[in-house]
Amino acid sequence: NAGVTQTPKFRILKIGQSMTLQCTQDMNHNYMYWYRQDPGMGLKLIYYSVGAGITDKGEVPNGYNVSRSTTEDFPLRLELAAPSQTSVYFCASSYFGTGGNQPQHFGDGTRLSIL
Amino acid sequence: AQSVTQLGSHVSVSEGALVLLRCNYSSSVPPYLFWYVQYPNQGLQLLLKYTTGATLVKGINGFEAEFKKSETSFHLTKPSAHMSDAAEYFCAVSPGIQGGSEKLVFGKGTKLTVNP
Repeated sequence: NAGVTQTPKFRILKIGQSMTLQCTQDMNHNYMYWYRQDPGMGLKLIYYSVGAGITDKGEVPNGYNVSRSTTEDFPLRLELAAPSQTSVYFCASSYFGTGGNQPQHFGDGTRLSIL
Repeated sequence: AQSVTQLGSHVSVSEGALVLLRCNYSSSVPPYLFWYVQYPNQGLQLLLKYTTGATLVKGINGFEAEFKKSETSFHLTKPSAHMSDAAEYFCAVSPGIQGGSEKLVFGKGTKLTVNP
């Protein structure tokens, strides 16, 4: 009963390095999302996908890239890491639901520090 | 554009006392509303949701929320707090069936502390 699995759980990067945050779900959900969570700021949507091969920008996409080659996987790529990208990153997924009435299922997050 | 306001970033109650977490939303179309809970070092999990129908919605762990259209509110309550309720709570809104979007807008969260 895995649900949404994120790896790694923790990571420290140096400024300018790149990395990929992995996200996979086993619920056959069409929709997948990446959020970042900063203290006192709630969750901000970075990118989302409505199905394999289709992605779109959210509220804060700068500095990130995504791809969706399969239903299960939705990796988030950080290019040229900057201190402002220090955050907790959450991946989520949901069934297609008209107007968004389907709840999102979240992974446990990746805690990323850029030093 | 939609928005969510959670009044009070921190709420502290005694064990056994009433829990009231406030959420007001702004939406130009009838929204869908959600409450999520986040325990330390975990992701968010759904507490309850309102889409259509009965305006008083019951969720897990004894929580409930009432959709009040006239007040644009969706406050979360629990009659008697338990130590295990200590967590951060997020209210979220989606534009509903007329909005054509699957995206959620989250409030900034309310951290609940339960004192023994």
